[in-house]
Amino acid sequence: TQLLEQSPQFLSIQEGENLTVYCNSSSVFSSLQWYRQEPGEGPVLLVTVVTGGEVKKLKRLTFQFGDARKDSSLHITAAQPGDTGLYLCAGHGSSNTGKLIFGQGTTLQVKP
Amino acid sequence: DTGVSQDPRHKITKRGQNVTFRCDPISEHNRLYWYRQTLGQGPEFLTYFQNEAQLEKSRLLSDRFSAERPKGSFSTLEIQRTEQGDSAMYLCASSFSGGGYTFGSGTRLTVV
Repeated sequence: TQLLEQSPQFLSIQEGENLTVYCNSSSVFSSLQWYRQEPGEGPVLLVTVVTGGEVKKLKRLTFQFGDARKDSSLHITAAQPGDTGLYLCAGHGSSNTGKLIFGQGTTLQVKP
Repeated sequence: DTGVSQDPRHKITKRGQNVTFRCDPISEHNRLYWYRQTLGQGPEFLTYFQNEAQLEKSRLLSDRFSAERPKGSFSTLEIQRTEQGDSAMYLCASSFSGGGYTFGSGTRLTVV
């Protein structure tokens, strides 16, 4: 069974601080995706990383896929209250079954 | 394109009753997924369809759960003889083959 472990599970920081969220697995994933979810809504796709070592930037968010395609990280620079939410990593298995396997999520609270 | 629609948004039911949820995916998407999510956790895979074919079901999907996608368009998820443990957010998502998911806003089920 392929599992994705996210850390930390909870993060409460002040506006302007930087943070990194990690997503790790013992299995290889053909791709990893990051989603952000607000209370009472479905997750919204932020980015997909496919190639080992790939780095993608989305404004103040930087996503990296590990060289071995077993892990990923999300770094937020100068966090803002609008970044508050549940961040989820998800991966397609190496067999590309179509389903996504989700990590348990990181709840981020950015205080003004 | 109106995104993925789920109906109802909220459902309160008595234990032992049957409930049915509906999902209307993005029309161009051939894949449709159902997930279940409890508070502060990542979504758990239930089942998915490619067009009208149900290709995979999770072991989480007991005999009380059934999903259909007639004609490869909308989908329904029925839970028979609901139990308190069924209380959760039920999320539907669609995608085109292996692409990123677009989620609906979910149906919040409360079994009392």
